[in-house]
Amino acid sequence: KAGVTQTPRYLIKTRGQQVTLSCSPISGHRSVSWYQQTPGQGLQFLFEYFSETQRNKGNFPGRFSGRQFSNSRSEMNVSTLELGDSALYLCASSHGGDPGYTFGSGTRLTVV
Amino acid sequence: QQQVKQSPQSLIVQKGGISIINCAYENTAFDYFPWYQQFPGKGPALLIAIRPDVSEKKEGRFTISFNKSAKQFSLHIMDSQPGDSATYFCAASSNDYKLSFGAGTTVTVRA
Repeated sequence: KAGVTQTPRYLIKTRGQQVTLSCSPISGHRSVSWYQQTPGQGLQFLFEYFSETQRNKGNFPGRFSGRQFSNSRSEMNVSTLELGDSALYLCASSHGGDPGYTFGSGTRLTVV
Repeated sequence: QQQVKQSPQSLIVQKGGISIINCAYENTAFDYFPWYQQFPGKGPALLIAIRPDVSEKKEGRFTISFNKSAKQFSLHIMDSQPGDSATYFCAASSNDYKLSFGAGTTVTVRA
């Protein structure tokens, strides 16, 4: 059974640019969540989607956005990148009613 | 602010020893408490989880102890092995579709 797939694995962007990260959940999982992991702030919740609807959103500026498609795949977008956006972005999926999330290996974003 | 406080930040244990990591929370609405294990370059992997109606749960060498009145829970790793060297995160959820994580504990098992 394939796990949660995140692409790309690594990304280097320049300050002010925008970036889109992709996540394919485990087959049959309809809930997809995104987390930001940094050494200073740890694991911070960004947002969660279920059946293309955002059910919860963390305390991040509006530059961070996401969406979910009808096949449960999800993307997150960060516009006007700042140096502080450098982090590991993790996607997690679950059945939807079960909070037992399975995480992907993440996308390492470096903003220079 | 961190909704789940985790300690210690790091610990070193000898092979065969017991590793103990503690977490505390304030939000009484939390009703699901998982522990995740993360290796460098990988995402967190669910290790074991507990709900407040149970005081202890054991899976292999990993045990969660839960104290609802004290709002604390802990992970015990018995017979620690070098392969257990990783960062461990406690977390909590209140049916709001998000996990609140502790700051993490780096465990080093010396052979």
